[in-house]
Amino acid sequence: AQSVTQPDIHITVSEGASLELRCNYSYGATPYLFWYVQSPGQGLQLLLKYFSGDTLVQGIKGFEAEFKRSQSSFNLRKPSVHWSDAAEYFCAVGARNNAGNMLTFGGGTRLMVKP
Amino acid sequence: ETGVTQSPTHLIKTRGQQVTLRCSSQSGHNTVSWYQQALGQGPQFIFQYYREEENGRGNFPPRFSGLQFPNYSSELNVNALELDDSALYLCASSLQGVVEAFFGQGTRLTVV
Repeated sequence: AQSVTQPDIHITVSEGASLELRCNYSYGATPYLFWYVQSPGQGLQLLLKYFSGDTLVQGIKGFEAEFKRSQSSFNLRKPSVHWSDAAEYFCAVGARNNAGNMLTFGGGTRLMVKP
Repeated sequence: ETGVTQSPTHLIKTRGQQVTLRCSSQSGHNTVSWYQQALGQGPQFIFQYYREEENGRGNFPPRFSGLQFPNYSSELNVNALELDDSALYLCASSLQGVVEAFFGQGTRLTVV
């Protein structure tokens, strides 16, 4: 069975500082990996995805993530955080199988940005 | 292009009642999935519908059921509501065979 772990429940960074959110996954085959962002009371917005190919993927809002198969990780990074980035971030692994297209999410990391 | 829309946005129900939540999928998408997100947790997969049939189910009891209509819209029904059913319910649409999913804004259900 697939699983996702986000070790950091809360992270606080200063505006303008760099950011890295950690994600570790467990999946038997080549994973489909995603990062979503959720503002309070809102749905999920897709930031970026990895299916295959280049292990460094670029997303929206200046975010990027690197797939490291040897470490089973898919960490999200941003070089300079803006106050509007404060939100909850979810890493997810997708399975394409006979049961359809199911996403398994981590518990999320809440990002707070200090002025 | 129309995104995923859900209704209602909020509702309050009493324990033991039944509730129906609705979802319109993104234009061109033929698969709908439902997720439950309890407060402070990540979303959990409830089930998925394709061609008007359940096409996969997570670890949820049978009192959680659904429908998909010919226009690909969907309903989530929950019978005999329990306090622990209080959560944000998210609908996601996709194309069958494509893992990427697009989410609606969710329906916040409170059971009292």
